[in-house]
Amino acid sequence: AQSVTQPDIHITVSEGASLELRCNYSYGATPYLFWYVQSPGQGLQLLLKYFSGDTLVQGIKGFEAEFKRSQSSFNLRKPSVHWSDAAEYFCALNSGGGADGLTFGKGTHLIIQP
Amino acid sequence: KAGVTQTPRYLIKTRGQQVTLSCSPISGHRSVSWYQQTPGQGLQFLFEYFSETQRNKGNFPGRFSGRQFSNSRSEMNVSTLELGDSALYLCASSLEATRINGYTFGSGTRLTVV
Repeated sequence: AQSVTQPDIHITVSEGASLELRCNYSYGATPYLFWYVQSPGQGLQLLLKYFSGDTLVQGIKGFEAEFKRSQSSFNLRKPSVHWSDAAEYFCALNSGGGADGLTFGKGTHLIIQP
Repeated sequence: KAGVTQTPRYLIKTRGQQVTLSCSPISGHRSVSWYQQTPGQGLQFLFEYFSETQRNKGNFPGRFSGRQFSNSRSEMNVSTLELGDSALYLCASSLEATRINGYTFGSGTRLTVV
């Protein structure tokens, strides 16, 4: 069965500092991978996605993620965080083509210190 | 371009009652999927519809059902509500069957069962 693990439940970063959120997956082939962000009381907004090709993908709001097959990882990064980045971040996996929906990690709560 | 619209935003129901939630996808999107979000279980896939056909269903009891209409709008129904059904229910739409361009989520319906 496929799974997604986000090892960090909470992360606190100072405004202006760099950020890396970890995501590890378990899947037998190359999955479709996504990062979503959720603000309190809101739905999920897609930050970026990876299907194939270049393993470094650029997303919205200055985020990027790198797919590393050897480590089964898809970590999210941002060089300099802003207070508005405080939110819940979810990594998700889809088998692509299969109608099995998205499998989500438990999420990482990002806190920005002034 | 309007996003994914879910109605109602908030709902309070009593145990044993049934409830119907509605989702209008982005215009032109033919795939609609539903997710349940709770603090304990996180985001879990309920089911997905494409062109009025349910393509797959997550690991939920038969009390959870859904349908999709010819205009791609979707409804999900929960019968005989239990306290544990209290959750944020999210709908997501996608342009095509392979979902290669990702899913766009609505803001959700917050269901409280008392």
